Amino acid sequence: DQQVKQNSPSLSVQEGRISILNCDYTNSMFDYFLWYKKYPAEGPTFLISISSIKDKNEDGRFTVFLNKSAKHLSLHIVPSQPGDSAVYFCAAIYGKLTFGQGTILTVHP
Amino acid sequence: EAQVTQNPRYLITVTGKKLTVTCSQNMNHEYMSWYRQDPGLGLRQIYYSMNVEVTDKGDVPEGYKVSRKEKRNFPLILESPSPNQTSLYFCASSTRTGYEQYFGPGTRLTVT
Repeated sequence: DQQVKQNSPSLSVQEGRISILNCDYTNSMFDYFLWYKKYPAEGPTFLISISSIKDKNEDGRFTVFLNKSAKHLSLHIVPSQPGDSAVYFCAAIYGKLTFGQGTILTVHP
Repeated sequence: EAQVTQNPRYLITVTGKKLTVTCSQNMNHEYMSWYRQDPGLGLRQIYYSMNVEVTDKGDVPEGYKVSRKEKRNFPLILESPSPNQTSLYFCASSTRTGYEQYFGPGTRLTVT
């Protein structure tokens, strides 16, 4: 049973526009959420996180939104840059870390 | 430089031949974990360790063993590899259970 789901396998965006990556979860006990970015031939790297007591967290061009009633998490990247092209994983914690399947983001110049 | 190292990076082996993938971190982290990444399934946890001599099963532990004799090292052992263990493996570490983990570069394993 996939408790954390990223329903869009891929997303293509023009440079300078907004990228919105989405993530849904089923376990209401998750208390912390994270986004990781992964380039080919490298391990995932931590990007941004949010506690379940908040609904928004910003870090530069990256903003994570949490809608607990909808059990939905999203990552906004504004403005998108070609170097943002990577696989993005959302993850949630309740005792242990559970990852989504990943979304491939491609930012075109 | 803070890092997690894994060796080997690439490995091709045959069914049944025991192998070990090493993992080491230099950040004095208590928590270490192994994941496998498969297409369409994301990252799934194999085993984790909350400190020396403390290990526990993740979501997909069958066919794997681990040990944590030293804080910095967390090897993954495949006693009798099978083709369904062909995958990309990542080791990770963090100060707290699961939070903001640092990942190694990955080990691509092929079992024929």
